[in-house]
Amino acid sequence: EAGVTQFPSHSVIEKGQTVTLRCDPISGHDNLYWYRRVMGKEIKFLLHFVKESKQDESGMPNNRFLAERTGGTYSTLKVQPAELEDSGVYFCASSQDRQGWTYEQYFGPGTRLTVT
Amino acid sequence: AQTVTQSQPEMSVQEAETVTLSCTYDTSESDYYLFWYKQPPSRQMILVIRQEAYKQQNATENRFSVNFQKAAKSFSLKISDSQLGDAAMYFCAYRSPDSNYQLIWGAGTKLIIKP
Repeated sequence: EAGVTQFPSHSVIEKGQTVTLRCDPISGHDNLYWYRRVMGKEIKFLLHFVKESKQDESGMPNNRFLAERTGGTYSTLKVQPAELEDSGVYFCASSQDRQGWTYEQYFGPGTRLTVT
Repeated sequence: AQTVTQSQPEMSVQEAETVTLSCTYDTSESDYYLFWYKQPPSRQMILVIRQEAYKQQNATENRFSVNFQKAAKSFSLKISDSQLGDAAMYFCAYRSPDSNYQLIWGAGTKLIIKP
């Protein structure tokens, strides 16, 4: 079974540019999460999809961030325009049916975003 | 709001010895889950061990065990017989039983294994 995959693994962009991160969850996982770790700090929750619906986007920092999950499969996270403080590692995770809240979240390898 | 604190940015241990990583948390909830995740260099984060708050028995997974002190809100991870492959960032995380399922994380502890 393939794990959670993320693309790209590393992105370097200039301030003001746009970047789109992609996450492919484990097949059959309805729940998809985005997290971010800014250098040296704790990992922060960004948002949670259940299928194609945004269940919780309370962690999204501002309206420069747009997450989508068309068809309830893969998800994209777009940052437009990117700022220096957006640099960090963006993690995606997926889990099974939300009714079983004990279900483990499986993580992707992360995308390291560097804004210069 | 819940918080998770890992007070050790970095720890080192000699191969084959035992090391304990600290984690404390703050919550007003009585039921919740606690997790330890491990992220080896340039690799995916994987779950090491988890603990249900309503269970008094400490969780154990092979060489990994936890010391869960609910009243003290402490959740430390003990790694016995440390191996070179244990070198990684270790993150402590909390999950509330509400509808969001989001994880709340500590800042992480970098574990170095000395051969």
